[in-house]
Amino acid sequence: ELKVEQNPLFLSMQEGKNYTIYCNYSTTSDRLYWYRQDPGKSLESLFVLLSNGAVKQEGRLMASLDTKARLSTLHITAAVHDLSATYFCAVDKETSGSRLTFGEGTQLTVNP
Amino acid sequence: GAVVSQHPSRVICKSGTSVKIECRSLDFQATTMFWYRQFPKQSLMLMATSNEGSKATYEQGVEKDKFLINHASLTLSTLTVTSAHPEDSSFYICSASQSGNQPQHFGDGTRLSIL
Repeated sequence: ELKVEQNPLFLSMQEGKNYTIYCNYSTTSDRLYWYRQDPGKSLESLFVLLSNGAVKQEGRLMASLDTKARLSTLHITAAVHDLSATYFCAVDKETSGSRLTFGEGTQLTVNP
Repeated sequence: GAVVSQHPSRVICKSGTSVKIECRSLDFQATTMFWYRQFPKQSLMLMATSNEGSKATYEQGVEKDKFLINHASLTLSTLTVTSAHPEDSSFYICSASQSGNQPQHFGDGTRLSIL
């Protein structure tokens, strides 16, 4: 059974600081996703990582994938209040019909 | 592109009522649609996977007679919560993909509150 674990589950940080959210998964997968969810809203797709060593950046967020370690990171640079949200990683396998398995989510609060 | 519309966005109804939620892919044909449920402060839990023209595949512990899923066309799937009770109150999110191995695109979710 595929399991996805995120760390930390709760993160409170000050504006301007850097931090990393970690996502570990238990078996090989084809794709790794990062999503953002604001309170009361659905998921917003941030990144899709397909191969070992993949790195993608959008604004203050950068995601990377190490398939050998079964680890993805979401790095936040110089956090701003607008980044406050819950961040989910998820993985899927093409052979399972793209069935997604989600991590528990990381609730990020950026304080002024 | 790849827009998924979910309707309604919010439902409040009495216990015992059946509620239908629609999920539409607006600009692509969705061979596969997924239905998730999310309780407060928790992650998304997959309820079922539906492929157009065939019966839905339900996850373990999800009652198929309570959560009726229909995927009659390539652009529409519906989830009907039958005889809803307060414990069914949750945030329901659908997603759609063009084929079984394509990424999922998520709807805006439906917040269901059963009184």
